Amino acid sequence: GAGVSQSPRYKVAKRGQDVALRCDPISGHVSLFWYQQALGQGPEFLTYFQNEAQLDKSGLPSDRFFAERPEGSVSTLKIQRTQQEDSAVYLCASSLSPSGNTIYFGEGSWLTVV
Amino acid sequence: EDQVTQSPEALRLQEGESSSLNCSYTVSGLRGLFWYRQDPGKGPEFLFTLYSAGEEKEKERLKATLTKKESFLHITAPKPEDSATYLCAVQAQGAAGNKLTFGGGTRVLVKP
Repeated sequence: GAGVSQSPRYKVAKRGQDVALRCDPISGHVSLFWYQQALGQGPEFLTYFQNEAQLDKSGLPSDRFFAERPEGSVSTLKIQRTQQEDSAVYLCASSLSPSGNTIYFGEGSWLTVV
Repeated sequence: EDQVTQSPEALRLQEGESSSLNCSYTVSGLRGLFWYRQDPGKGPEFLFTLYSAGEEKEKERLKATLTKKESFLHITAPKPEDSATYLCAVQAQGAAGNKLTFGGGTRVLVKP
């Protein structure tokens, strides 16, 4: 596709519900990132994939957060037993090269936990 | 730990009133410094990557510069369509250096 595509764009989840957020990176992009952005703040790193390998997951806030990219293209971020503090925009980004010199972001998935 | 601080937090400008945004950073070794523009409800839009002190890049009314401790984004004769949040981020060298560490952003409002 022309850009990084994320779905759903908006999700309202009841506390305790599991959610799955999908990211379609730019075709051929090796690197894929997930970020979390709270209202009025800059994005915060969650995890990084190079092809199908998850090389850095140091930013995942708890073991309720899980990400995968099984075939090295589409990625899914899963949040189990959602809590109100999980409410945020989840941004996916991709870059062509492993060094990630030009990183392109999607529009984000807005998660509200009620 | 890598840190990025942006100032001011918010900036109100009259159309045509040039100004500069500051991004101060500390990083173990800089691989790149990134500038993004973010409109409300949208994802960050890539503007520039700077790699070494002294480097400058321009795009329309925007010019980014880099020193060893900070970067500036100069907005020359801004127009209302330049209103957005501008984000700065650093990428560190090393095996774990692919991630970007962002500042809090500067919200710019340009009034006609």
